[in-house]
Amino acid sequence: DQQVKQNSPSLSVQEGRISILNCDYTNSMFDYFLWYKKYPAEGPTFLISISSIKDKNEDGRFTVFLNKSAKHLSLHIVPSQPGDSAVYFCAASGSNYQLIWGAGTKLIIKP
Amino acid sequence: SAVISQKPSRDICQRGTSLTIQCQVDSQVTMMFWYRQQPGQSLTLIATANQGSEATYESGFVIDKFPISRPNLTFSTLTVSNMSPEDSSIYLCSVFGGAPKNIQYFGAGTRLSVL
Repeated sequence: DQQVKQNSPSLSVQEGRISILNCDYTNSMFDYFLWYKKYPAEGPTFLISISSIKDKNEDGRFTVFLNKSAKHLSLHIVPSQPGDSAVYFCAASGSNYQLIWGAGTKLIIKP
Repeated sequence: SAVISQKPSRDICQRGTSLTIQCQVDSQVTMMFWYRQQPGQSLTLIATANQGSEATYESGFVIDKFPISRPNLTFSTLTVSNMSPEDSSIYLCSVFGGAPKNIQYFGAGTRLSVL
């Protein structure tokens, strides 16, 4: 039972354009959502998060949007840079500390 | 955020042997987490290690296979016992970094290959 889904295993985007990564969840009790970036041979690195009381959170080139009615969130990266090429994981949590992870989306930024 | 050192970074082991992975944090933390990432898969929580008490294992993981030690507030070990090729994965430890809630910070991971 996958509670957090990232349906796109990979995404290829031209440098300078916008990258949009999507994530869906099924558990309405989730109240906090996070995005992590992972390079090969490194651990996941926290990128940005959003609370369920908000619908948008922005940090520099990264913006996360939350649509609670659709149980959907997305990460926008603009403009995309070569260093953004990595695997991006969406994670969600509820009243306890546990993070539930999506399967990840491999983002490739083409020069 | 916390700085986490994990050793070894990678290892190749023979079937039937055991490997102990170490995780050192640069600050005192109550909870440490151990994850597994199998090839092409997401992160799966193995167990939560609290100092001074038994680790709490998730469904599908047992103490005999993955014994955990937590001798103090900055250190933990995970042992992968009686290994088989199915144990080939990346093993990661993490800790909470503080506010905002539920952000976890990770070590670089241990890439394990079992032959």
